[in-house]
Amino acid sequence: DAKTTQPNSMESNEEEPVHLPCNHSTISGTDYIHWYRQLPSQGPEYVIHGLTSNVNNRMASLAIAEDRKSSTLILHRATLRDAAVYYCILNAWTSGSRLTFGEGTQLTVNP
Amino acid sequence: GAGVSQTPSNKVTEKGKYVELRCDPISGHTALYWYRQSLGQGPEFLIYFQGTGAADDSGLPNDRFFAVRPEGSVSTLKIQRTERGDSAVYLCASSPKTSGVLSGANVLTFGAGSRLTVL
Repeated sequence: DAKTTQPNSMESNEEEPVHLPCNHSTISGTDYIHWYRQLPSQGPEYVIHGLTSNVNNRMASLAIAEDRKSSTLILHRATLRDAAVYYCILNAWTSGSRLTFGEGTQLTVNP
Repeated sequence: GAGVSQTPSNKVTEKGKYVELRCDPISGHTALYWYRQSLGQGPEFLIYFQGTGAADDSGLPNDRFFAVRPEGSVSTLKIQRTERGDSAVYLCASSPKTSGVLSGANVLTFGAGSRLTVL
């Protein structure tokens, strides 16, 4: 499985935008880029995914570099409830959607 | 149900005992996944089912771990002769059928997990 690299932790202030980076230099052409997050004492929760184009949904935006070797999850206005571990994962069609989680980025949101 | 349901939410057992953890996936989801998460780590893949059969069990750590999904819906993860190192949160997820190149877009829905403590 192609590997992703994320910072261990990031900090933000409430109501400010947050940009969470992810590097995936060995991504293959058919790998989708997925983001999940995990709040304390809960299972992971899907956030967003994309292949080549930037994506927006009600939770976040996903900006994908032109060469697809990196991506950024954007939370437009962080709230205290966004404090979680964010995982960037490559979903390869050959894996049957068997996601491989790294250690993710622990996001702290300050009031 | 509306989401993935896992029972029990907490299980405390003694070393050497047998444990069963149950997962009830979203209705209609044919793919079901088991993960294990130790404190401070990301979830670690154990096994996934496509329908009734185990499509990939490469993550099961040893032969003490076994999972079944006899009717293609509910799944049970079975752990024999538990050890203290088995203590973790066991997560279940489900998704629509996965096949073909577009399956990379497939989204998993996770349950809240079953916390296993082996004393």
